[in-house]
Amino acid sequence: EVQLVESGGGLVQPGGSLRLSCAASGFTFTRFWMHWVRQVPGKGLMWVSRINADGSTTTYADSVKGRFTISRDNANNTLYLQMNSLRAEDTALYYCARTYCGDNCFAYFQHWGQGTLVTVSS
Amino acid sequence: DIVMTQSPDSLAVSLGERATINCKSSQSVLYSSNNNNKLAWYQQKRGQPPRLLIYWASTRESGVPDRFSGSGSGTDFTLTISSLQAEDVAVYYCHQYYSTPFTFGQGTKLEIK
Repeated sequence: EVQLVESGGGLVQPGGSLRLSCAASGFTFTRFWMHWVRQVPGKGLMWVSRINADGSTTTYADSVKGRFTISRDNANNTLYLQMNSLRAEDTALYYCARTYCGDNCFAYFQHWGQGTLVTVSS
Repeated sequence: DIVMTQSPDSLAVSLGERATINCKSSQSVLYSSNNNNKLAWYQQKRGQPPRLLIYWASTRESGVPDRFSGSGSGTDFTLTISSLQAEDVAVYYCHQYYSTPFTFGQGTKLEIK
């Protein structure tokens, strides 16, 4: 069974930093692109970032580019999101998500974690 | 960026009746390599993460009841629930995975009338 378990969320002051983790199990982590998607409570979904299977390619939403860094540790089946220079508008529930990969990979999200809440406030 | 616009924002349907949610993309999401549309639908119940229902605009994910169906092509798409059940109360999102930044519709809240 695919499991994605996020951790690392919490309360941080504006301008502060936080590192989120996503522990993956139940599938061959090294085969799959991974993503972060966030959701302001009660609001819609926003894609944040993606990373390819070997970690060599990353992409970001414009609103987080230069502040957030996605990475992965394939030896320990863990996805990360380093968030710096946090702003109030980054307050959200952050989900890690796994896409489909067969012969090719396509970015529809087959599996989601339960999310970890990040609150940016003074 | 591709803008995804859903309609309506909310919908109330009687049990056993049909529910229809529309999604329009600001540009085509047709993937020429396989002539399929890079459009997915998700269901999100209160307090839960989203659940994938439909991908390639019309392919049902494993385990999804067959009362859920997707249709459309190019820029106009529809999610249909043929006979609404109580457990279908949720917010539904469309999502384009054609190009980054991947984008979602604003969501449609489905309730029982």
